[in-house]
Amino acid sequence: GAVVSQHPSRVICKSGTSVKIECRSLDFQATTMFWYRQFPKQSLMLMATSNEGSKATYEQGVEKDKFLINHASLTLSTLTVTSAHPEDSSFYICSATPRGGLAGGSTDTQYFGPGTRLTVL
Amino acid sequence: GESVGLHLPTLSVQEGDNSIINCAYSNSASDYFIWYKQESGKGPQFIIDIRSNMDKRQGQRVTVLLNKTVKHLSLQIAATQPGDSAVYFCAGNVKSGGYQKVTFGTGTKLQVIP
Repeated sequence: GAVVSQHPSRVICKSGTSVKIECRSLDFQATTMFWYRQFPKQSLMLMATSNEGSKATYEQGVEKDKFLINHASLTLSTLTVTSAHPEDSSFYICSATPRGGLAGGSTDTQYFGPGTRLTVL
Repeated sequence: GESVGLHLPTLSVQEGDNSIINCAYSNSASDYFIWYKQESGKGPQFIIDIRSNMDKRQGQRVTVLLNKTVKHLSLQIAATQPGDSAVYFCAGNVKSGGYQKVTFGTGTKLQVIP
């Protein structure tokens, strides 16, 4: 249980274009989904938190107009990087917390997707 | 400020030996801690968690110890195997007004020597 998928796994785009990344919880309903960014050999940096049907809460310094988050259902959240530039190149990872918790687990545990490698040329 | 950090960036261990990865946290309000394992190019994988009302929790080959007095937690891996080679992150969870925030440490790279 607790499988989270991301699509695409890798994307290369030209500067100025927009890229959409999908995050899905495959075998559970997610109360909350999180989006992180990770640079090489560094830790995860939380970008935003989203709850289904409501606006995302962005961390300080993260531009909400550049990183658009839509949480359309209890199993799907999308991150759109608008007008991407080379400095947006990074590893983007989503996570989800299960609604009601998984058997033997906690409602606070985040389960992570495999990540999306974005390269902006 | 709020932070969760690790003492050692890299740990090399002989296969079969036990590994101990340490983590310090600064936010006393953290009530839940998680250890994640991240292999190269992949997302973090949940290993084990512990709530602040506990001081020890055991899993399969892994044990997490929590010392709230000194704000320290550790991950112990018994009989370390080559497949354990990865970066390990500790994370602390704080709930405030229904809003949950998890802060990740900087990570420790575990290298298992065959």
